[in-house]
Amino acid sequence: DTGVSQNPRHKITKRGQNVTFRCDPISEHNRLYWYRQTLGQGPEFLTYFQNEAQLEKSRLLSDRFSAERPKGSFSTLEIQRTEQGDSAMYLCASSEGTGAEQYFGPGTRLTVT
Amino acid sequence: AQTVTQSQPEMSVQEAETVTLSCTYDTSESDYYLFWYKQPPSRQMILVIRQEAYKQQNATENRFSVNFQKAAKSFSLKISDSQLGDAAMYFCAYSKWTGNQFYFGTGTSLTVIP
Repeated sequence: DTGVSQNPRHKITKRGQNVTFRCDPISEHNRLYWYRQTLGQGPEFLTYFQNEAQLEKSRLLSDRFSAERPKGSFSTLEIQRTEQGDSAMYLCASSEGTGAEQYFGPGTRLTVT
Repeated sequence: AQTVTQSQPEMSVQEAETVTLSCTYDTSESDYYLFWYKQPPSRQMILVIRQEAYKQQNATENRFSVNFQKAAKSFSLKISDSQLGDAAMYFCAYSKWTGNQFYFGTGTSLTVIP
């Protein structure tokens, strides 16, 4: 297993377009997290899945954001009608249990022009 | 609401010396987890050390150790015998006992001077 992977690594889009990111966690990890990180800040929690169930969703996650983990394996994060304020690094992490180490992916850097 | 505060945006240390990074947090929970993560430039975030709040003993991992003061809600990281490879952004993080949410501080950028 090569760790958590994210695709694409970079995405440039025009304001108003929809974008979708993919995260492939470590295969035996049942927990998956999405974060957003802007320059000079720490990661901000967006949402959490245990297997296919989305158990937590931050109030930061507006209605334009949706995440899925259909079979409890990979996950997608979609942003509809992107805004310039959505420009950030989107990080995915997975872990195998409560309090366990989170393994982070390399992130997807989104630029909205 | 849980918050994590790192009051030192930047720190520097001479190679082979010791440095301590500060972190405070706010919570009304009695059981939780605390972490220090390292993010090297343009590289992925990796775990440095973790602490369960119910454990009084401070966690250690080789050159890395923490000073966990539960009553003061303080969780500092000590790096001994600093090496050039320790240069990175360090983030303190808090997790609820359920592990459903994580909260990160704003980070401390550590420079190691040869």
